Amino acid sequence: AQSVTQPDIHITVSEGASLELRCNYSYGATPYLFWYVQSPGQGLQLLLKYFSGDTLVQGIKGFEAEFKRSQSSFNLRKPSVHWSDAAEYFCAVGILEYGNKLVFGAGTILRVKS
Amino acid sequence: DGGITQSPKYLFRKEGQNVTLSCEQNLNHDAMYWYRQDPGQGLRLIYYSQIVNDFQKGDIAEGYSVSREKKESFPLTVTSAQKNPTAFYLCASTSQAGGSYEQYFGPGTRLTVT
Repeated sequence: AQSVTQPDIHITVSEGASLELRCNYSYGATPYLFWYVQSPGQGLQLLLKYFSGDTLVQGIKGFEAEFKRSQSSFNLRKPSVHWSDAAEYFCAVGILEYGNKLVFGAGTILRVKS
Repeated sequence: DGGITQSPKYLFRKEGQNVTLSCEQNLNHDAMYWYRQDPGQGLRLIYYSQIVNDFQKGDIAEGYSVSREKKESFPLTVTSAQKNPTAFYLCASTSQAGGSYEQYFGPGTRLTVT
C-alpha cells in the first residue's frame, strides 16, 4: 500500500536558520511527489512538485526539495527561515492509477523562534 | 479570479442530521476531490470524481455521499451514519490535461457536530 511518513511532528528553528523537513514514501511505481503548506484554518498551498527529470526541484517562497530514489525520500529545505514560514507542511505522493488521488503524510508543524 | 470556493467556512449541526458541504470551482478542471483532515493524521480521501456523473469512493467513504451533476460543482453530504463527522473538510481539483497532476485546494469547511 502507498504511504508517506513525515517523522517529525513538530520542528522549531530560529529565524534565519536553515530548515530541512523529512519525507519518506512507499510506492511501487515512479512517484509524483508534492509538498504543500497550510496556515491554521486555511486550505493547502502547493510549494513544489516532482514529476520527473532533475531531482532537485525549486518551489515558491525559496523552498527546494530533493528526490532520492534510493532512499525513497523527498526532503524539503530552505536555507534561511522567515517568521512567516511558521505553518504546517505536508508531503504527498500522487497515485495516478486511482484518479490521481494524493496520499498525505501526517504533517510537520514548523515553529519559528525570533 | 479562478479558484475553488467552499461554503460555509464553519458549520454546526446536531447529531443525527445530514449536512451538505458545498464545493465550486471555476478552473475548468475535470477532476474533483474531497478530503477530511483530523489533527495529527494528515488528509484522507473521501470521494473523487474524474468526470461529470461519475465518482469513486476513496479511503474513508463510509457515511458520506457525493454527486457530480455539473463540472463546476462537487457537493459532499455527511450523513448521520458517519460516526465521527466533526473535522475539517477540504475540496480540491485538478486538470487531467497536459500531464498536470497538482491539486488545487479550497479554503475548507470546519464541521462541528454535537
